[in-house]
Amino acid sequence: AQSVTQLGSHVSVSEGALVLLRCNYSSSVPPYLFWYVQYPNQGLQLLLKYTSAATLVKGINGFEAEFKKSETSFHLTKPSAHMSDAAEYFCAVTITSGSRLTFGEGTQLTVNP
Amino acid sequence: GAVVSQHPSWVICKSGTSVKIECRSLDFQATTMFWYRQFPKQSLMLMATSNEGSKATYEQGVEKDKFLINHASLTLSTLTVTSAHPEDSSFYICSGRGDTEAFFGQGTRLTVV
Repeated sequence: AQSVTQLGSHVSVSEGALVLLRCNYSSSVPPYLFWYVQYPNQGLQLLLKYTSAATLVKGINGFEAEFKKSETSFHLTKPSAHMSDAAEYFCAVTITSGSRLTFGEGTQLTVNP
Repeated sequence: GAVVSQHPSWVICKSGTSVKIECRSLDFQATTMFWYRQFPKQSLMLMATSNEGSKATYEQGVEKDKFLINHASLTLSTLTVTSAHPEDSSFYICSGRGDTEAFFGQGTRLTVV
């Protein structure tokens, strides 16, 4: 079975600072990996996805993530945080495209002015 | 991207009554729909997987008689919470499976009083 672990349930950064949200996965077969963002009382919005093409994946709102097989990681980064980035972020994994997702516990990102 | 419309976005009901939540795929055919439950400050927990025209597959620990799922067409799946109790209060999110990824509804905040 596949799983993801998000290190750090809360991350706080200053506006304009680098955002780094960590995600490590476990899968016996090559995984598909996703990052989603959730604002309060809303559904999930896809930020980016890795589907075995390029290891550096660029997403929406300036986010990107790099798939590192040797480290079983898929960390999410953004060079400069904006106040509107404050939200809950979920890393997710599946082994079949479009199939059920297994989510991490989530990381709450706070952006301080 | 594809759109999944979920209604209602919030509902308050009395204990003992039933509530129906609808999930529609607006511009694609979702042969598979996933229903998740999310408690405050927690991740998404998969409740069940429904395939159009067949019975839903429930995750361990989820009462199928309490959470009735119907997937009568390729664009509509419904979740009915029967005889709701305060402990059923939660955020429910549906997800439709597309060709390459899953698309999420906006979520339904259910409060049972």
